[in-house]
Amino acid sequence: GDSVTQMEGPVTLSEEAFLTINCTYTATGYPSLFWYVQYPGEGLQLLLKATKADDKGSNKGFEATYRKETTSFHLEKGSVQVSDSAVYFCALSEDYGGSQGNLIFGKGTKLSVKP
Amino acid sequence: EAGVAQSPRYKIIEKRQSVAFWCNPISGHATLYWYQQILGQGPKLLIQFQNNGVVDDSQLPKDRFSAERLKGVDSTLKIQPAKLEDSAVYLCASSLQGGSPLHFGNGTRLTVT
Repeated sequence: GDSVTQMEGPVTLSEEAFLTINCTYTATGYPSLFWYVQYPGEGLQLLLKATKADDKGSNKGFEATYRKETTSFHLEKGSVQVSDSAVYFCALSEDYGGSQGNLIFGKGTKLSVKP
Repeated sequence: EAGVAQSPRYKIIEKRQSVAFWCNPISGHATLYWYQQILGQGPKLLIQFQNNGVVDDSQLPKDRFSAERLKGVDSTLKIQPAKLEDSAVYLCASSLQGGSPLHFGNGTRLTVT
């Protein structure tokens, strides 16, 4: 079945460091891909998404490119801030047209940014 | 707009007891989801409603879990009887319709002892 694998954490970085969180997926069809973020004490929030190959999702300085050839959707940010400390989840949905029902999540990667 | 509301925030019960969680979605959202998030894992879909009808409950352990969404608004998720492995955070989410962005509540953390 479909699955998502993301790098295990925790990841600890200094402020202004470059961030990469790896995510790869297995899917039978053509899924939409997502990154969700969960800040301490808050619910899951959609960070960015991409619905087809070579699409780049971006938000709040974060970017991820849908790479079909490597079945990857790595999350990157050029300069992290303390406020980016959170748990990041990669997810896919086999529904079409960017539908976000039936999300399949990775295990999450905890990011801690130190001042 | 008000977000997805869930209660209680925390619940501790003994195994074999029953428990119920409540969710109030964002006003006007037709689609409602319940997810289970076990510690160290990503959320897993338990059930999806479209208005008051079930769209997908393939991963709901129906021998002990039940959910309803009467009148197509609020929803309750029940576990009876609870097992130790049911300890998790139960997340409710809603969306305008099946193809729209999901909005998650803060979840209910269940501990079964």
